[in-house]
Amino acid sequence: DAGVIQSPRHEVTEMGQEVTLRCKPISGHNSLFWYRQTMMRGLELLIYFNNNVPIDDSGMPEDRFSAKMPNASFSTLKIQPSEPRDSAVYFCASSPHTGVEGNTIYFGEGSWLTVV
Amino acid sequence: QQPVQSPQAVILREGEDAVINCSSSKALYSVHWYRQKHGEAPVFLMILLKGGEQKGHEKISASFNEKKQQSSLYLTASQLSYSGTYFCGTAQPDSNDYKLSFGAGTTVTVRA
Repeated sequence: DAGVIQSPRHEVTEMGQEVTLRCKPISGHNSLFWYRQTMMRGLELLIYFNNNVPIDDSGMPEDRFSAKMPNASFSTLKIQPSEPRDSAVYFCASSPHTGVEGNTIYFGEGSWLTVV
Repeated sequence: QQPVQSPQAVILREGEDAVINCSSSKALYSVHWYRQKHGEAPVFLMILLKGGEQKGHEKISASFNEKKQQSSLYLTASQLSYSGTYFCGTAQPDSNDYKLSFGAGTTVTVRA
């Protein structure tokens, strides 16, 4: 079975540029999560969707960050304009959201972002 | 509310045992354990749903004490492959939103 698929795997961009990260969740999973991981802050939940609807975006650091989920099989996380402090690994994850183990989260391989 | 993990790091020799603790200031519905190897994504190990429940994965097991709002992960007879950073993720019982809050992680290094 295909897991969570993210692209790009690595991105190096200049400060001020727009960055778009993409995610395809596991088929049939109803919840999708965007996490950011840094040495200083660990794994932070940025936003999550349930049935394509944003449920909690309280972790989105500022207005420069936006996320969309136009359908059940695709989501994007956009940073515009990007700043060096946005450098991190961004993980997309999905969850079946059903049954007693519904909130087990499965992570993608991550998008390694470097803003210079 | 992020759970608190301890210790931050542990170094073991092959065959030794270790315990990683995860505690929360809030009541818990479930505790999830993940392991992340350097440069890779976190990988799900196990979920604990009931107080006092224990589960196992290879020679890795875990317990969940609902009353104390704590979970512990036990690495028994550690192998080199156990090296990595272990995260606990917690979900609250009154939340209908299935999100997990993760601890800061415990880095485990197993040496030959």
